[in-house]
Amino acid sequence: NAGVTQTPKFQVLKTGQSMTLQCAQDMNHNSMYWYRQDPGMGLRLIYYSASEGTTDKGEVPNGYNVSRLNKREFSLRLESAAPSQTSVYFCASIPRRQGTTEAFFGQGTRLTVV
Amino acid sequence: AQSVTQLGSHVSVSEGALVLLRCNYSSSVPPYLFWYVQYPNQGLQLLLKYTSAATLVKGINGFEAEFKKSETSFHLTKPSAHMSDAAEYFCAVRIYTDKLIFGTGTRLQVFP
Repeated sequence: NAGVTQTPKFQVLKTGQSMTLQCAQDMNHNSMYWYRQDPGMGLRLIYYSASEGTTDKGEVPNGYNVSRLNKREFSLRLESAAPSQTSVYFCASIPRRQGTTEAFFGQGTRLTVV
Repeated sequence: AQSVTQLGSHVSVSEGALVLLRCNYSSSVPPYLFWYVQYPNQGLQLLLKYTSAATLVKGINGFEAEFKKSETSFHLTKPSAHMSDAAEYFCAVRIYTDKLIFGTGTRLQVFP
């Protein structure tokens, strides 16, 4: 049982390049989230998908797009990377929409934009 | 919109001392509250959660938290710190089916 799997684990991009961060969960969870973690700022929500077929903006969506490909997969795309997007990105999933259930996290993707 | 505030970005304690990490929330409706821990270069792991069943919640590794509606607080405590408790701790809030929002985190250092 792999849980939440993120790929890649590390990535270096040049300014202006594009890339897609992949996230997959094998727990049959309904909701999936993308966060970025920066020193002193905690985890900030970029986008989330409450259920298959829906996506919504979080606190810091600018410069990102997402795709809920199916129930298992939720990808995050940077169309034109900027140094300000240097961060650690975490994907998470939640079993059901009810608020009582906790999130399960991947191990993170460390992205550096030069 | 819901939010959480964690007072103190860094907390230092001696091994064996009381650990107190503060979390205050803002919400117009009853919230669900969570504490997560993050060890270096790892993802987040659930410590405990409040889901309205009981105001005092016990979690893993000897941690507990008490929900106080009058103070809009959900502080995390542990009676006796251990070196292995050194990590970053995050408080988070969720309302019904809405998004999960995190605080800015508190880094706990434990000195021998």
